Amino acid sequence: DAGVTQSPTHLIKTRGQQVTLRCSPKSGHDTVSWYQQALGQGPQFIFQYYEEEERQRGNFPDRFSGHQFPNYSSELNVNALLLGDSALYLCASSLDGGPVGSFGEGSRLTVL
Amino acid sequence: GIQVEQSPPDLILQEGANSTLRCNFSDSVNNLQWFHQNPWGQLINLFYIPSGTKQNGRLSATTVATERYSLLYISSSQTTDSGVYFCAVKAAGNKLTFGGGTRVLVKP
Repeated sequence: DAGVTQSPTHLIKTRGQQVTLRCSPKSGHDTVSWYQQALGQGPQFIFQYYEEEERQRGNFPDRFSGHQFPNYSSELNVNALLLGDSALYLCASSLDGGPVGSFGEGSRLTVL
Repeated sequence: GIQVEQSPPDLILQEGANSTLRCNFSDSVNNLQWFHQNPWGQLINLFYIPSGTKQNGRLSATTVATERYSLLYISSSQTTDSGVYFCAVKAAGNKLTFGGGTRVLVKP
């Protein structure tokens, strides 16, 4: 039974570029949440997707957008990258927004 | 929004020692979870404990919701317990708010 899988694991971009990160939830889970974790800090909630809709959003600018597909997988897109977007991006899955059962291993983004 | 504070920020233990990590939160919550982040960055769910006490092997947790705090106990610590421990709460809505974490180093 596969847990949450994320890709890519590492990537390097330059300022102004755009990036897409991908997440497949744990089997049987229908809700995907995205978090940003800066070095030395706790994860910060970006947004949550359920039934292909953004259900709740954290305090992040519109440069951060997402999508959920009918198979419950999800993408996180970040446009016009800034140096401050360098972080570990974590995806979590759950069943209908219940307790988070699983996090992926994360995508580590470096913006130069 | 809700505030989550964890203490201590750093903890160094000798293998075999016991320890207690604390999480204080500023408002009523309907969900509280403890996570362990390993050195490779993966977050592992340890407990879902909005109230009461739970035990899982050498780890146990207690949440006193009326007093807005939770405790995580590590007994007979092992080097594999090293990493960062996060408390995360959910008040209204679907957003988990994390504390700043407690960085634990267990020395052999």
